[in-house]
Amino acid sequence: GIQVEQSPPDLILQEGANSTLRCNFSDSVNNLQWFHQNPWGQLINLFYIPSGTKQNGRLSATTVATERYSLLYISSSQTTDSGVYFCAVSGYSTLTFGKGTMLLVSP
Amino acid sequence: DADVTQTPRNRITKTGKRIMLECSQTKGHDRMYWYRQDPGLGLRLIYYSFDVKDINKGEISDGYSVSRQAQAKFSLSLESAIPNQTALYFCATSDFGKIGTGTTGELFFGEGSRLTVL
Repeated sequence: GIQVEQSPPDLILQEGANSTLRCNFSDSVNNLQWFHQNPWGQLINLFYIPSGTKQNGRLSATTVATERYSLLYISSSQTTDSGVYFCAVSGYSTLTFGKGTMLLVSP
Repeated sequence: DADVTQTPRNRITKTGKRIMLECSQTKGHDRMYWYRQDPGLGLRLIYYSFDVKDINKGEISDGYSVSRQAQAKFSLSLESAIPNQTALYFCATSDFGKIGTGTTGELFFGEGSRLTVL
């Protein structure tokens, strides 16, 4: 099956800093999603982005399908951005999740 | 109200007990999934169902069973719970996700069920 690697595994930021999270995958994909798991455990959809670029407020994502990676950008980070960010991908089957990037934004 | 609802949200039980986690959805999706999350391991797929008469094993199905009672309902059972089944369990739904059909296969999660087996 498809392998998914996320980096970095952990990230600590000061409030107001910018960050880039990376997701590498091992095969062509039909579906790629980014999720945020908040400290209460809820999984929140951020982006459905099998290719191209999308923006939603301070967050944006870019997937370069031909080079098998996706990037999640967080600008002007806030403490509420803390949590774990997951990338998940699939070809024509079920989604496979990476192990996540744990982000801590300190005031 | 949440589009994907899981019950119970928290459960503590003892080794050997039978446990059922229930999931219902109002998104009208045909596809439903059960995932398990353990610290540092991401989410792993237990079982999935693409329609009412379809059940498929995922990556880690041993020790679990499922029932798809209706399009909107998908339950997960632990017939005889053991301590290493202590985890956070998520139900999810998606549409078909095939190019040209107007569907994406985007996954939507319930709020999770935290299970502790003593």
